[in-house]
Amino acid sequence: DAGVTQSPTHLIKTRGQQVTLRCSPISGHKSVSWYQQVLGQGPQFIFQYYEKEERGRGNFPDRFSARQFPNYSSELNVNALLLGDSALYLCASSPDRAYEQYFGPGTRLTVT
Amino acid sequence: KQEVTQIPAALSVPEGENLVLNCSFTDSAIYNLQWFRQDPGKGLTSLLLIQSSQREQTSGRLNASLDKSSGRSTLYIAASQPGDSATYLCAPNYGQNFVFGPGTRLSVLP
Repeated sequence: DAGVTQSPTHLIKTRGQQVTLRCSPISGHKSVSWYQQVLGQGPQFIFQYYEKEERGRGNFPDRFSARQFPNYSSELNVNALLLGDSALYLCASSPDRAYEQYFGPGTRLTVT
Repeated sequence: KQEVTQIPAALSVPEGENLVLNCSFTDSAIYNLQWFRQDPGKGLTSLLLIQSSQREQTSGRLNASLDKSSGRSTLYIAASQPGDSATYLCAPNYGQNFVFGPGTRLSVLP
């Protein structure tokens, strides 16, 4: 089985622009979570979606939004990009919310 | 507030040593706890999942213990190898989210 996939791998954007990151979970997994990892720190929780509904949200501004599609893939959108949004964005999937999570390779976002 | 700390922040050992990585969490209402490995610039690789009802979980040279009531977990690595060099992260699972510690950066010298 394919693991969690994320696209794109790398992305360079300018301050003020908008970005969309994509995640495809492992087949059969209904829960997708998004994390932001700044260099030198552990990942910080952004969103969790389960069965296409938002089930959890971390301490991030409203510029961050996400959605989950009927096939359980997910998109993370960030508007009005700031330099501080530069980070590795990680997606994780699991069969259910309290189960083992499997992470994708991440998308490296650089904001200049 | 749910917080996770990991000690030590960094560790450098010669090949062959046994070592212990420590993880503490403030909120003990966890479903389970996962230990991950992260190589520089890469995603997270799951090493062990230990359920809240379990005391220990083993996989090869790795052994994780959990004391839920005291908010502690340890990861024991036996006979360390240079290929074990990476950052190790612990993450208690609260259902809606995992909370990650800052990690322990491990270097195993040949």
